[in-house]
Amino acid sequence: GENVEQHPSTLSVQEGDSAVIKCTYSDSASNYFPWYKQELGKGPQLIIDIRSNVGEKKDQRIAVTLNKTAKHFSLHITETQPEDSAVYFCAARDQAGTALIFGKGTTLSVSS
Amino acid sequence: GAGVSQSPSNKVTEKGKDVELRCDPISGHTALYWYRQSLGQGLEFLIYFQGNSAPDKSGLPSDRFSAERTGGSVSTLTIQRTQQEDSAVYLCASSLPGLAGGLGTTGELFFGEGSRLTVL
Repeated sequence: GENVEQHPSTLSVQEGDSAVIKCTYSDSASNYFPWYKQELGKGPQLIIDIRSNVGEKKDQRIAVTLNKTAKHFSLHITETQPEDSAVYFCAARDQAGTALIFGKGTTLSVSS
Repeated sequence: GAGVSQSPSNKVTEKGKDVELRCDPISGHTALYWYRQSLGQGLEFLIYFQGNSAPDKSGLPSDRFSAERTGGSVSTLTIQRTQQEDSAVYLCASSLPGLAGGLGTTGELFFGEGSRLTVL
């Protein structure tokens, strides 16, 4: 089955800096790669996703890149703000109708 | 509209007791998922329902864990003879049905706020 590795487990940045979180996956059949943000006491929420026919996707200050050959994908947050502080999870899915497999999460702290 | 609702939000039980956790998905969402979140362990997949059937039970950690879904809506996760290592937050998520012609889902999972289970 699919296995997703996520790094780093914690990340501390200054407000205005960029943050990068990286994930690798094991199943070459995976074709859907979402990122979720979890704030304290809440359930995770989707912030951006990418499918295997796209190499990069942007949405304002966040972007995701995908390298299918190397089986890794990354989340980039620019101009970080304190409200970006949360736990971020990457995930992968091999085909429609199966469960998302998540990484172990990255705790991002943005200090002002 | 209403999101995914889970109950109880907190449950403290004694080792050896059975517990039931309930999930009420978003209306119209045919896919339903249970995940377990332990400290430092991320989101561990437990089971997935499409309608009332469970095509993927591969994540259930032992035969003490079971889940059912009736009427294509509410789901119950049952843990029998609880152990201390069962302590975690149990998250439920639901998603929309897939595109015409397939059983797949469109992708986005909507999570509830979870049920925190503490086994003493």
